[in-house]
Amino acid sequence: AQTVTQSQPEMSVQEAETVTLSCTYDTSESNYYLFWYKQPPSRQMILVIRQEAYKQQNATENRFSVNFQKAAKSFSLKISDSQLGDTAMYFCAFVSGGSNYKLTFGKGTLLTVNP
Amino acid sequence: DTEVTQTPKHLVMGMTNKKSLKCEQHMGHRAMYWYKQKAKKPPELMFVYSYEKLSINESVPSRFSPECPNSSLLNLHLHALQPEDSALYLCASSQLMAGRTEAFFGQGTRLTVV
Repeated sequence: AQTVTQSQPEMSVQEAETVTLSCTYDTSESNYYLFWYKQPPSRQMILVIRQEAYKQQNATENRFSVNFQKAAKSFSLKISDSQLGDTAMYFCAFVSGGSNYKLTFGKGTLLTVNP
Repeated sequence: DTEVTQTPKHLVMGMTNKKSLKCEQHMGHRAMYWYKQKAKKPPELMFVYSYEKLSINESVPSRFSPECPNSSLLNLHLHALQPEDSALYLCASSQLMAGRTEAFFGQGTRLTVV
């Protein structure tokens, strides 16, 4: 079974600064996908970024980038130039590349961006 | 269009009521999901439909009954719920295609059982 661990229940950052959210996972599979989802107070779960395990290059989406360390089973999210709208719960998630499309979520990190 | 639409947004029901939650997507996704989410917790998977067939039931009590009438619609029928079933219910969909496994979520239905 896969597990996803987010060790930071809460974090805060000043507007315009950079913050990194940590995520580690455990799996015996070689083919899988990793995601970061954002859930603001409006409660909709929004996909922030995805990473395929077979790709060595770290994914980037505008101000969001990941540091994917496959051997260490680490998948951290870096948010640059933090904005007030980035305030949300962030969930790291794993899905197997096999036929089971079940997402395994971490417990989440509540990020607050302060003005 | 990357939208998953859920109705209603809020629902209050008594323990003897029967109600239904609805979910719709027009992205051509062939997998659809129901998740239950308690406050400050990650979503918990309840059901997965692939190609309109129930493929995963995470041992959900029978008072929750899913239905997938067609590839765009997903319902969750509720009957004789308990107060502890109060939660945010999220619907999601995804493609059944290697390399395109990301799930897209709706805004959820906030359910209160009284």
